[in-house]
This record gives sequence, structure tokens and C-alpha cells, in this order.
Amino acid sequence: DSGVTQTPKHLITATGQRVTLRCSPRSGDLSVYWYQQSLDQGLQFLIQYYNGEERAKGNILERFSAQQFPDLHSELNLSSLELGDSALYFCASGKDLNTEAFFGQGTRLTVV
Amino acid sequence: GEDVEQSLFLSVREGDSSVINCTYTDSSSTYLYWYKQEPGAGLQLLTYIFSNMDMKQDQRLTVLLNKKDKHLSLRIADTQTGDSAIYFCAERLYSSASKIIFGSGTRLSIRP
Repeated sequence: DSGVTQTPKHLITATGQRVTLRCSPRSGDLSVYWYQQSLDQGLQFLIQYYNGEERAKGNILERFSAQQFPDLHSELNLSSLELGDSALYFCASGKDLNTEAFFGQGTRLTVV
Repeated sequence: GEDVEQSLFLSVREGDSSVINCTYTDSSSTYLYWYKQEPGAGLQLLTYIFSNMDMKQDQRLTVLLNKKDKHLSLRIADTQTGDSAIYFCAERLYSSASKIIFGSGTRLSIRP
């Protein structure tokens, strides 16, 4: 157990809908990363927050957004969902910007 | 550019050593990581190496870094069936200290 908690574990929703994925980082970690893992795209970096502020942005669609709250948990919001958004979404956390990142178990999103 | 490459598959006999290779393109990498992903699970951090090191050993795992060739390898000694998984190489970029870029993963299978 990495100490990073993601909820829900599984999510099935219809196209056009909006979902929110939640991540609780390890105790004391200030950095939160979001990744998308799909069969054809591999593990893609989406976005990273550090102590509540956006730090780096990757291949994140405009339909997606994220934030990190004062208690350091983070949410990834996915809207206007398409079939191609079906994937595993991972959250990772780290103590600061230059240390290792520990991954949660992921949320498996299925868009039907 | 930001690119991490790995071969997709590796098959070894139980008890032999496994060597998983990775190449990366960004010479400003600070840390390089190896993660393990078992079926249906998240990514488990196995080990990491700082870019000013050549080698790191941790029990059955040996990481070798050739910075000149931008080549990273993970050697697993005495490979066991429990080592069957996908192994991801990842680099943390100095130019964007927050971003960790992953390779496509190498699926390691063990033959009896």
C-alpha cells in the first residue's frame, strides 16, 4: 500500500457526462500528479500540483481540469466524456518537487 | 525532446537474470525511476537513481546508468514468477522539475 488513496476504484458513465475523481496523497506529501493510462497511449502525464498551485501541465484536454485543495487532496474533473476517455487514471504524490512519486491504485473509468 | 523508450516484451527463464533496458532523450534528467505494475494494480516504485550516479544496487535489483548514451537498465537477479509484471522506466526532467515522463513499459514474462 503506497499510502495514496483514489476514489472511486471503478466508474462507468455515459458519453457527455461529467465525473470527478478524487485523490488523497500520502501524509505529508505536497505534490500531486495525475496520469492517464490507456492501451494505445501508455502512461500520459496530465497535470501536477504542488501545495495547492498548478506546477506543470502535460497532455491534458481542455475538457479536463484539476485542483488541489488546502488539505492537499486533489480532484480531477472530466467533462463532456467521450468513449476515448475510457482509461485508468492514476494519482501519485511526492514530498516535494524533486523526489520519488508514489502511485495510488487508480480509478478505472469506462465511458459507454 | 521528452521521450523514453523501452522494448515491449522480455521473456526469461525462472532463476535467470532479467535485464530491462530503457533509453531517454532529455539530457537534463535529474532522477530516473523504475516502477513495476502487476495486473490490475497501480504502479509500485521499485528503485530510482540520481543522474550523477552510475550504479545503484538494492537486493536483487541493480540499476545501471550510462548518462553519455542516455541508457538506463534494470537487472533483476534470480528472476522469480512473482517478478512477472510490466516494468516502467521514467525520468524526471530538470527543465520541468515537476514532470515525470514514462516509457511504454516492458512486459516481463517468466518461463519455467
